[in-house]
Amino acid sequence: EAGVAQSPRYKIIEKRQSVAFWCNPISGHATLYWYQQILGQGPKLLIQFQNNGVVDDSQLPKDRFSAERLKGVDSTLKIQPAKLEDSAVYLCASSLAATGEAFFGQGTRLTVV
Amino acid sequence: GEDVEQSLFLSVREGDSSVINCTYTDSSSTYLYWYKQEPGAGLQLLTYIFSNMDMKQDQRLTVLLNKKDKHLSLRIADTQTGDSAIYFCAERGGDSWGKLQFGAGTQVVVTP
Repeated sequence: EAGVAQSPRYKIIEKRQSVAFWCNPISGHATLYWYQQILGQGPKLLIQFQNNGVVDDSQLPKDRFSAERLKGVDSTLKIQPAKLEDSAVYLCASSLAATGEAFFGQGTRLTVV
Repeated sequence: GEDVEQSLFLSVREGDSSVINCTYTDSSSTYLYWYKQEPGAGLQLLTYIFSNMDMKQDQRLTVLLNKKDKHLSLRIADTQTGDSAIYFCAERGGDSWGKLQFGAGTQVVVTP
């Protein structure tokens, strides 16, 4: 079974630029999560989708971050404009249902300079 | 403050047992998880326990849950150098959408 796919693996941008990350969850998984992991910290939930609807985006900085999940499958997370403090690994995960085991992709490491 | 807390570092000798501890605050948590993260990699699910259980064993891994004290532990028997990694405790909340929250992680270093 294929796992959660993310791209790109690495990205370096200058502050105030924009960036987008892509995630393809495990086939059939209804729930999709985006987490931000700053170096030395645990993952922090940014947004959780159930199919193509948002069920939790309470910690998403909505002035600069946006996410969508079209047709309840793939998802993109965008940052515009980026700040230095956005440097982190962005992890995508999926689970069969909202209460199921979550499986993670390898993440995208973002460096903002 | 953090909803899930873990000690930051553990050093253990190869062949010994490791015990990693975690405390959480949500009394309605349904599932509790242990994930492993190696350098440059995503999170790998190691094991989990349902909140109405107090122990689960899976090969070298033993999970103990004290629901009254909201304390979770992971014991790794016969620790190997390949077990060196960061271990994250996570709780799934009892709300409708099962918010999954992580601790800051415990770095485990296995010495020969």
